[in-house]
Amino acid sequence: EVQLVESGGGLVQPGGSLRLSCAASGFTFSSYWMSWVRQAPGKGLEWVANIKQDGSEKYYVDSVKGRFTISRDNAKNSLYLQMNSLRAEDTAVYYCARVADYGGNSESDYWGQGTLVTVSS
Amino acid sequence: AIWMTQSPSLLSASTGDRVTISCRMSQGISSYLAWYQQKPGKAPELLIYAASTLQSGVPSRFSGSGSGTDFTLTISCLQSEDFATYYCQQYYSFPYSFGQGTKLEIK
Repeated sequence: EVQLVESGGGLVQPGGSLRLSCAASGFTFSSYWMSWVRQAPGKGLEWVANIKQDGSEKYYVDSVKGRFTISRDNAKNSLYLQMNSLRAEDTAVYYCARVADYGGNSESDYWGQGTLVTVSS
Repeated sequence: AIWMTQSPSLLSASTGDRVTISCRMSQGISSYLAWYQQKPGKAPELLIYAASTLQSGVPSRFSGSGSGTDFTLTISCLQSEDFATYYCQQYYSFPYSFGQGTKLEIK
């Protein structure tokens, strides 16, 4: 059974940093692109970032470029999102998701339960 | 970036109704479109990918159509468990993007 379990969310002050983790199991993690998607309270879904199987390609939404870094450790079956210079507008539930097709241009077929990040003083 | 217009934002319907949700792109994306269902407090679930392919385990009352710039999600006979929020997503090019969402509520 595919499982994705996020952790690392919490309350952080504006300008602070946080590192989210996503532990994957039930599939060959190193064979799949992975994504982070977020959802602000009461709002819609926003794609945040994607990373290729070997980490050689990374893509970000403009609003987080230069502040967020997606990474992965295939030996630990883990996906990460390092978030720096956090702003109030980054407050959201952050989901990790598996990209269905090995090629990358594909939908997300499995999602974690999400972890809440709150940026507030 | 590709802009998406999803409509309507709110849809009121009754059990047994047939409903359609639209997603329009600012440029052609071939069939690189997915539809997701999200219930309150839960993660999104994949319903349809490649515009019209039903994800395994999804009831056949859900269907998707379209290509290029105009896409539609149809639910043929609404069941109580279908009242939720629905999102389209394009994965044709980065940055990927989602529609604004359609909340399907009980009339």
